[in-house]
Amino acid sequence: EAQVTQNPRYLITVTGKKLTVTCSQNMNHEYMSWYRQDPGLGLRQIYYSMNVEVTDKGDVPEGYKVSRKEKRNFPLILESPSPNQTSLYFCASSLSGLAGGPHYEQYFGPGTRLTVT
Amino acid sequence: GQSLEQPSEVTAVEGAIVQINCTYQTSGFYGLSWYQQHDGGAPTFLSYNALDGLEETGRFSSFLSRSDSYGYLLLQELQMKDSASYFCAVHRDDKIIFGKGTRLHILP
Repeated sequence: EAQVTQNPRYLITVTGKKLTVTCSQNMNHEYMSWYRQDPGLGLRQIYYSMNVEVTDKGDVPEGYKVSRKEKRNFPLILESPSPNQTSLYFCASSLSGLAGGPHYEQYFGPGTRLTVT
Repeated sequence: GQSLEQPSEVTAVEGAIVQINCTYQTSGFYGLSWYQQHDGGAPTFLSYNALDGLEETGRFSSFLSRSDSYGYLLLQELQMKDSASYFCAVHRDDKIIFGKGTRLHILP
């Protein structure tokens, strides 16, 4: 089954304790992206990746890191989480980039609910 | 800056037609997407407009007018399962900027 998976689905952690949220897709998609969703703010793009070893900042990259060492995986790293990073996080992928190409549809993972105390 | 405006909530009756508007203040974007999100679920893609005009996909249609900085999603023959949040999004280079979403309530 074609899908985007995220782990963990739920995470409660403490301020400053490094964590990684994994994201994997099995559709051979080039483009992958991370979003956070907060009440009343919609979805905001954190980072995106056009392909292996190619990543770029979205609108809210502060406090986050990403890497793209393999095409299928795009982990989100919080080196020193803070309470303002408590949010619902989504990973998404699409066949190619979003800039005018034919493959503009993004497939979203199920989400990771992160609480930082 | 870049921003998209959507109504926060819309209410309609089952079987009716509803239009969700999206106005934006950005330029040089490639297209406008629409996504649906049910409570507790992930966003799912509905429609994309690269060019001005109407795109139809079953009961859903989406419209874009770049000259008016305006787009909308039209849902016909509303069903209770259409109760969800709907997000418009502009594709600018390889970034995507989402609106804050419209919560659609459907009355029986």
